[in-house]
Amino acid sequence: SAVISQKPSRDICQRGTSLTIQCQVDSQVTMMFWYRQQPGQSLTLIATANQGSEATYESGFVIDKFPISRPNLTFSTLTVSNMSPEDSSIYLCSVEHRGAVRGTQYFGPGTRLTVL
Amino acid sequence: GQNIDQPTEMTATEGAIVQINCTYQTSGFNGLFWYQQHAGEAPTFLSYNVLDGLEEKGRFSSFLSRSKGYSYLLLKELQMKDSASYLCAVRGTNAGKSTFGDGTTLTVKP
Repeated sequence: SAVISQKPSRDICQRGTSLTIQCQVDSQVTMMFWYRQQPGQSLTLIATANQGSEATYESGFVIDKFPISRPNLTFSTLTVSNMSPEDSSIYLCSVEHRGAVRGTQYFGPGTRLTVL
Repeated sequence: GQNIDQPTEMTATEGAIVQINCTYQTSGFNGLFWYQQHAGEAPTFLSYNVLDGLEEKGRFSSFLSRSKGYSYLLLKELQMKDSASYLCAVRGTNAGKSTFGDGTTLTVKP
């Protein structure tokens, strides 16, 4: 399996500011994803982070609000821009790891964001 | 797109067996996954089915019927630590993305 770390683990931010979340994997992976999970709810896919090209966003999510970088096969960042209280959520990155059953996702520990 | 349904909550007794059902409607199918998520933690992989039938892994088994769009996760000899949310996820044929159900919160009581 892949070992995934995220920074920060949690943050409390003011409305209108931006926060960048980092995701680091201990091995090279092809597929990296960013999800949002609100308390008591399931995972909503924000985007697929593509190495060397623009991320692929799901319906309802746009690059201006959630810019994503993926400079190499082990690292990605998600920025939550111009935050509002509605952005309060847990943000998780996940990867598909070579050698695992194709499609199996391994998740980072998550970043708990509270916007005041 | 994908539509996934699973019960919101279930309760069972320690030592018993519980079956969590998942039905799905999909425009493309490339595997069904079950994940376990304890409160405050990230989801972890439990099982995978891509062909019809039963996959057994210790106390956990998962079943798939593609023609019926149906899967279940069977947990035997329940332990208190099995109290968690169980997420059913369907992997589509569009760029390898998976769609997650809303999860079933299982409470195991003594």
